[in-house]
Amino acid sequence: QKEVEQDPGPLSVPEGAIVSLNCTYSNSAFQYFMWYRQYSRKGPELLMYTYSSGNKEDGRFTAQVDKSSKYISLFIRDSQPSDSATYLCAMSPPSMDTGRRALTFGSGTRLQVQP
Amino acid sequence: GAVVSQHPSRVICKSGTSVKIECRSLDFQATTMFWYRQFPKKSLMLMATSNEGSKATYEQGVEKDKFLINHASLTLSTLTVTSAHPEDSSFYICSARDFAGWRGDTQYFGPGTRLTVL
Repeated sequence: QKEVEQDPGPLSVPEGAIVSLNCTYSNSAFQYFMWYRQYSRKGPELLMYTYSSGNKEDGRFTAQVDKSSKYISLFIRDSQPSDSATYLCAMSPPSMDTGRRALTFGSGTRLQVQP
Repeated sequence: GAVVSQHPSRVICKSGTSVKIECRSLDFQATTMFWYRQFPKKSLMLMATSNEGSKATYEQGVEKDKFLINHASLTLSTLTVTSAHPEDSSFYICSARDFAGWRGDTQYFGPGTRLTVL
């Protein structure tokens, strides 16, 4: 079983739709959660960063974390064609030192927003 | 803030040559940088972790003599692909960790380098 599971998609929605992207994880040590957006042939761009259960909102994006269920979500309201990209969830345990501690990524979900 | 640059963005080389890729954190100091490889429509595969002033830590299956990593300063890490072969053709992405103490990892990614080995 992978530590982080993410549906690869593709997920196709009409412009203006609400998009829900999800990841589940198995490692209860994960305490910090991120969502990255990656356009084709580009590096990932950090969208959201959360470290507590509940919701965090930033513009059209809402990140939701449910640690008891080991489930995180990213909601995109009023989706636009420019939101078409691959969305990667990532997570990490607390880091108390500068040693080797990398993020664990989901496989990414490809989103296509149709105009 | 938190900008990471990579150079070159694209490189084409002949089989057997070596290629150096630079990763720079432009507005913060990064004691740790990471190198990833990504195949088309696949997720990021961590190759190695680069700590400033010390040897890199490589993931299982990654040849350290083939992928040389140097992290000579708090803002620069380099990846050298030695004696490149066509199977090394890939998208290489670096990230720099903005270490916020107790909060855990926040990594910022460079734009990536597309390597094509002929």
